[in-house]
Amino acid sequence: EPEVTQTPSHQVTQMGQEVILRCVPISNHLYFYWYRQILGQKVEFLVSFYNNEISEKSEIFDDQFSVERPDGSNFTLKIRSTKLEDSAMYFCASRGQGRNSPLHFGNGTRLTVT
Amino acid sequence: AQRVTQPEKLLSVFKGAPVELKCNYSYSGSPELFWYVQYSRQRLQLLLRHISRESIKGFTADLNKGETSFHLKKPFAQEEDSAMYYCALRLQGAQKLVFGQGTRLTINP
Repeated sequence: EPEVTQTPSHQVTQMGQEVILRCVPISNHLYFYWYRQILGQKVEFLVSFYNNEISEKSEIFDDQFSVERPDGSNFTLKIRSTKLEDSAMYFCASRGQGRNSPLHFGNGTRLTVT
Repeated sequence: AQRVTQPEKLLSVFKGAPVELKCNYSYSGSPELFWYVQYSRQRLQLLLRHISRESIKGFTADLNKGETSFHLKKPFAQEEDSAMYYCALRLQGAQKLVFGQGTRLTINP
């Protein structure tokens, strides 16, 4: 069964550094998402992406965050200048056409900002 | 604001006993409700959704609009049901899911 893949599984970075989290959604999917989960807290929506543009974003997704689909297969989340509070598990997800198509999640990237 | 509440962080039952994981939501519109499960060292995956009215792995959930609840039930728990369970709400016309805090279910032998 096709899967959403995320790399790396764990990223450690220093405060103030830029970080790029990578995701390869399922190949025929059209909708892409990033969620995050701070340790001990809820899974929180960050952003959704469709037709090469952001379709919805949360308050968390400020100017420090950006997403890109650079080559038709990867879907990246960039954090320009990381803060300690950005430490979290970041999940990529994708789904196909049709509102009832289920969301498929990746295994997540654990980001640790020191 | 839209909110999903799972009042139990931890739930422990014996194998063969009934299990109910509670989920309440706060939303004035027409909601779509989902249950996601995360087994140990695996990814989040969809368990079931209210529009399908299906039973997956023996689990069912009924949307009760009067009580704004979407509790997950299984009559006879099995050890392999041990996992983290998340209730989630999708708003009408929106893309995002709003998740509850999650309930860690442990089935004791």
